Amino acid sequence: ETGVTQTPRHLVMGMTNKKSLKCEQHLGHNAMYWYKQSAKKPLELMFVYSLEERVENNSVPSRFSPECPNSSHLFLHLHTLQPEDSALYLCASSQAGRNPKYGYTFGSGTRLTVV
Amino acid sequence: EDQVTQSPEALRLQEGESSSLNCSYTVSGLRGLFWYRQDPGKGPEFLFTLYSAGEEKEKERLKATLTKKESFLHITAPKPEDSATYLCAVQDNTGKLIFGQGTTLQVKP
Repeated sequence: ETGVTQTPRHLVMGMTNKKSLKCEQHLGHNAMYWYKQSAKKPLELMFVYSLEERVENNSVPSRFSPECPNSSHLFLHLHTLQPEDSALYLCASSQAGRNPKYGYTFGSGTRLTVV
Repeated sequence: EDQVTQSPEALRLQEGESSSLNCSYTVSGLRGLFWYRQDPGKGPEFLFTLYSAGEEKEKERLKATLTKKESFLHITAPKPEDSATYLCAVQDNTGKLIFGQGTTLQVKP
């Protein structure tokens, strides 16, 4: 596989459930990102990992917990979510430090619905 | 504060009717301006990178231009398959990517 792969594509979960989103990149990049995309709003940066260290956490509620075990894999652990957390969650990767020829490469996203 | 504003929010065109999308920005230390295309239920797909004022890039019916304050995405003789949401983003001097809210383009046959 090439590019950035996200699983699952769709997820419906109750407010008391615990689930995880998975992202894998096959591009040899060293930085990975989680974005939240809600209708009619700009992409919201949630977390940034560079060289497997979390370098940014944009005031995201603690019910979202990221994990980056290596430079190719990124997880977003979810627990006790709220209905307003329903959105498209996008993973992206880049080669930090280089000229930004392509910006970030995005996965296809996970459509999350909290019921 | 770094900011990106896109207009219009939505645009409906007839096939063959050329138009332009606008992206206005304020950023501390522009490293690059990016245009992405996003189809429903999919992630953004890279189109262009522009680095400095006066630069232009072309790809099929799309042409992106850049000034010190804004960028335009010109669409010449669009086809229905050009229907998508077009996202503009700027990368600041820390490497962070800041997105606009997007322009949803619908091209009718």
